[in-house]
Amino acid sequence: DIQMTQSPSSLSASVGDRVTISCRASQGISNYLAWYQQKPGRVPKLLIYAASTLQSGVPSRFSGSGSGTDFTLTISSLQPEDVATYYCQKYNNALGTFGQGTKVEIK
Amino acid sequence: EVQLLESGGGLVQPGGSLRLSCAASGFSFTTYAMSWVRQAPGKGLEWVSSISASGGNTYYADSVKGRFTISRDNSKNTLYLQMNSLRAEDTAIYYCANFYGSGSYYNPFWYWGQGTLVTVSS
Repeated sequence: DIQMTQSPSSLSASVGDRVTISCRASQGISNYLAWYQQKPGRVPKLLIYAASTLQSGVPSRFSGSGSGTDFTLTISSLQPEDVATYYCQKYNNALGTFGQGTKVEIK
Repeated sequence: EVQLLESGGGLVQPGGSLRLSCAASGFSFTTYAMSWVRQAPGKGLEWVSSISASGGNTYYADSVKGRFTISRDNSKNTLYLQMNSLRAEDTAIYYCANFYGSGSYYNPFWYWGQGTLVTVSS
C-alpha cells in the first residue's frame, strides 16, 4: 500500500520561529491527509484534516497545505506548548498509514 | 461525551494469545467504522486494523495479517482485537479509535481511548 514519509524526523527551533514539517505519500492521495499532535504521555490529537482544514479549537498558528503526494504542516510562531511529536496520516482508503513522526523541541 | 475504554492488555509469552476489548459510549457506535492503532515504546503510531460499521469488512496491516482478527459486537457497543501468535515486536500500547465526521474510513481518527499495554516477553 501507500507509504507516508515525513521529514525531518526531529527539529529544534526557538520560540516564535516558523516551523515546517513535510509529509510525502508514495502515491497520490488527493487531500485525504490528516495531521496529529501527540504530547508526551498523551493520546494523539487531531489538528488538521482534508490536508488544510483546521480542527475546531486548534490555534490558528497551525496550518496545512498540499494535495496529491506532497503535504506540509506549518506552525507560524512556535510556542512552548507546541513541544510534541507530529504525525501525518493518509485516509484515502481503510488502510490508515501514518508517517514516522516529527519530534519538535524548543531550542 | 465520547468514551473509548480499552482493556485486556498484559504480559504474554511469545507465541501466545490475547484479546483486547474497547467499550464505546457517547456516540452511535453502530454507525461508525472503528480501528486499532498501536505504539511501541518510544516509537511512532502504527495503524493495525479497521472494521466497517456492520462488521462485514475488515482490514489489516501487513505486519499483523493472518495473526490478528478485529471484530465488533454492536449489541454491546464493543470492539475487539484477537491477537494470536504474538511476537516481541507486537509489544505496544494498543489504542482504539473512531472516525471523524460520517464515521467512515474516509475520515481521520477522532476520539482515541487511553490505550492498553501489551507486552510480549518470556
